[in-house]
Amino acid sequence: GAGVSQSPRYKVAKRGQDVALRCDPISGHVSLFWYQQALGQGPEFLTYFQNEAQLDKSGLPSDRFFAERPEGSVSTLKIQRTQQEDSAVYLCASSPRRGVGSPLHFGNGTRLTVT
Amino acid sequence: QQPVQSPQAVILREGEDAVINCSSSKALYSVHWYRQKHGEAPVFLMILLKGGEQMRHEKISASFNEKKQQSSLYLTASQLSYSGTYFCGTGRGGGGSQGNLIFGKGTKLSVKP
Repeated sequence: GAGVSQSPRYKVAKRGQDVALRCDPISGHVSLFWYQQALGQGPEFLTYFQNEAQLDKSGLPSDRFFAERPEGSVSTLKIQRTQQEDSAVYLCASSPRRGVGSPLHFGNGTRLTVT
Repeated sequence: QQPVQSPQAVILREGEDAVINCSSSKALYSVHWYRQKHGEAPVFLMILLKGGEQMRHEKISASFNEKKQQSSLYLTASQLSYSGTYFCGTGRGGGGSQGNLIFGKGTKLSVKP
């Protein structure tokens, strides 16, 4: 596929469960971003990778959130001990160059519902 | 640090024009504009870089005033397909630890026939 792929598309988790969200960026894209989008709100920055290096994780809301991109391509966002306030759409985006000098290509997101 | 967008919402008749503004309290390297339709991913519209020129895509154009740390998106002769929520994203750096993009809360645009 030519675009950013995210899986699963929908995830329902019971409060306290751990979840893992996957992002397959466009091949060759250097930068990868994770965003959290609550209903009716703008995407909130979570973390940013340049290749395999996590250069900014200032947006991760708590130490229950963890992201990795070990080989500089696929990335996983893990949320431990999910809480109801974690319910949101999690968007992944990739970009061909470093930083924000080129367009972000978004995936369709993973809608997480914590019950 | 989050950019401020105005207005929050606007309703237009087909063929009318609109301006959406985005301002930041921090010096900017780049401003991005995206449109998101309900239930879909944000789609890139255009990017403006520090020192760059005003951008244009069909009947949508944008400007970037570095001194005022502001950008504006101009939609001319709006079409029904322009409906959606518009987000500006601001970046302070070209790479490294300042490579992230921070989005505003969005401007909801509704175009009526």
